[in-house]
Amino acid sequence: DVKVTQSSRYLVKRTGEKVFLECVQDMDHENMFWYRQDPGLGLRLIYFSYDVKMKEKGDIPEGYSVSREKKERFSLILESASTNQTSMYLCASSTDRAMNTEAFFGQGTRLTVV
Amino acid sequence: AQKITQTQPGMFVQEKEAVTLDCTYDTSDQSYGLFWYKQPSSGEMIFLIYQGSYDEQNATEGRYSLNFQKARKSANLVISASQLGDSAMYFCAMREGRGYQKVTFGTGTKLQVIP
Repeated sequence: DVKVTQSSRYLVKRTGEKVFLECVQDMDHENMFWYRQDPGLGLRLIYFSYDVKMKEKGDIPEGYSVSREKKERFSLILESASTNQTSMYLCASSTDRAMNTEAFFGQGTRLTVV
Repeated sequence: AQKITQTQPGMFVQEKEAVTLDCTYDTSDQSYGLFWYKQPSSGEMIFLIYQGSYDEQNATEGRYSLNFQKARKSANLVISASQLGDSAMYFCAMREGRGYQKVTFGTGTKLQVIP
């Protein structure tokens, strides 16, 4: 059974803290993505990675960074958390080997910054 | 500019009726893929259907079909014989890019099926 696992389902952090959201996939996928989901705004792409140590900015990268040291793991980092980063964060992965295959999602991390 | 546009924030449909959820997209790539996902209240993202830009036939998966009109850049989802379990958020998404591929989503449509 294919799997994308996010390290936490719920997280509460204080303003100014450095926050790490971890995502691991077991499908040997090349591509990994971080999205945030907010009501009325859908899923917005923060960053994605198409290979180890490679990353590309998505549509809303400000205030975030990412790390991909191993193929199976993609981390999202909030350098200094702010209340406007309170959101649901979704990690996904996909392969380049079959063009018609979908992206697989983790269960999501609901982050609250207080 | 929005890459994926879903203009219907919310829709109602009577049980057993068909419903169409709209999606338009914007890309200059010749090769791209279009997806629909369902997100029930539990929050999981469930893949429903895929359409490739070179596919000549509209995609179908059970009660789901994708009405692909390439010239109009639209990829509407049709759900036939709606069921109460179809009540959920529905997202249209597009994969595009050469070399590496980016997947972007629309804002979603909340579908409610009325008994």
